[in-house]
Amino acid sequence: AAGVIQSPRHLIKEKRETATLKCYPIPRHDTVYWYQQGPGQDPQFLISFYEKMQSDKGSIPDRFSAQQFSDYHSELNMSSLELGDSALYFCASSLGRGDIYEQYFGPGTRLTVT
Amino acid sequence: DQQVKQNSPSLSVQEGRISILNCDYTNSMFDYFLWYKKYPAEGPTFLISISSIKDKNEDGRFTVFLNKSAKHLSLHIVPSQPGDSAVYFCAASANTDKLIFGTGTRLQVFP
Repeated sequence: AAGVIQSPRHLIKEKRETATLKCYPIPRHDTVYWYQQGPGQDPQFLISFYEKMQSDKGSIPDRFSAQQFSDYHSELNMSSLELGDSALYFCASSLGRGDIYEQYFGPGTRLTVT
Repeated sequence: DQQVKQNSPSLSVQEGRISILNCDYTNSMFDYFLWYKKYPAEGPTFLISISSIKDKNEDGRFTVFLNKSAKHLSLHIVPSQPGDSAVYFCAASANTDKLIFGTGTRLQVFP
């Protein structure tokens, strides 16, 4: 079965650079979620989109922005990168929004900021 | 402030026995709970969920129990298999998109 695809899987950037992470949801899924998992921490919700509109927002820094496109894929744009942004970034998708729709996670993008 | 807590960072169980993973929460607004399994270098994989209107949900070897008065849920795996060895996260939601995750419990099932 098709799963959530994230690219790239690994990314190394320097401080103050920008990064763009991409997420391709499971076919027919219309809701995308972004989470950040720091070393030794649990995943923290960043932002979500339903039908190309932002639907919920968590602890996402102002330096980050995201959007969902007409084909439902999503991109997380990160600017002025800081060392503390080094983390695993997970994207998840679901069919419909709200907690009754289980979120299916991608394999994650490991971002390392040096 | 950790709203979802998994107080046991690790658990070791013999193959064939029952694994019980526990999770406590503090926010009484949570109305939906999920368990995820995570292997290294992979994203969390959805296992089982339960709505706050239920106290038990079963799916094959996996059963989740919810005790709302104690703000406690548990995941039972019977019988445990070596392939179940992974990190298990419980997560909760309060009718929003946001899942609040616990800190995870590393389960090891040995032969």
